[in-house]
Amino acid sequence: KAGVTQTPRYLIKTRGQQVTLSCSPISGHRSVSWYQQTPGQGLQFLFEYFSETQRNKGNFPGRFSGRQFSNSRSEMNVSTLELGDSALYLCASTLGDRGNSPLHFGNGTRLTVT
Amino acid sequence: DAKTTQPTSMDCAEGRAANLPCNHSTISGNEYVYWYRQIHSQGPQYIIHGLKNNETNEMASLIITEDRKSSTLILPHATLRDTAVYYCIVRPNTGGFKTIFGAGTRLFVKA
Repeated sequence: KAGVTQTPRYLIKTRGQQVTLSCSPISGHRSVSWYQQTPGQGLQFLFEYFSETQRNKGNFPGRFSGRQFSNSRSEMNVSTLELGDSALYLCASTLGDRGNSPLHFGNGTRLTVT
Repeated sequence: DAKTTQPTSMDCAEGRAANLPCNHSTISGNEYVYWYRQIHSQGPQYIIHGLKNNETNEMASLIITEDRKSSTLILPHATLRDTAVYYCIVRPNTGGFKTIFGAGTRLFVKA
């Protein structure tokens, strides 16, 4: 069974631009969550989706948004990029919608903002 | 804030057991303890999880204290490839929660 797939693997953008990252969960998984990882702040929760509904959101500005499609695939968007948005963005999927279901992570998209 | 605390780093000799502790003194009755590890530039890899009972799988064993306020991840025969950052987190058995990661423990396995 294929794992969580994130595209693209690497991305370089300029300040002020916007970016869209994609996540394909494991087949059959309906919950997708997103995380930002930086050396200074570690792994931080961005948002979580289940059945196309955002159920929770982390403490990030409104420039960060996401959505989930009917096939459970998810995208996140960052508008008006800032240098501090440079990070590894990780997506995880779970089979169930509760905490007894392990998160399975993709290998992330490394975003560099110049 | 993370609900777990872990040592910043630990060393282990290759072939020996690695015992990684985690404190989760404020854990709730419906929260599972999970362990993940992350090797540089890869996504975190699921290792094991448990609620109350000790658990074992092909990768590791998880020992949870009776009061559930702490746990230990045991890698029975550490290899150089086990060098990674290990995260202990708690997740409630509900939906729509924020999964919070702490800084984890950097395990160095030495030859």
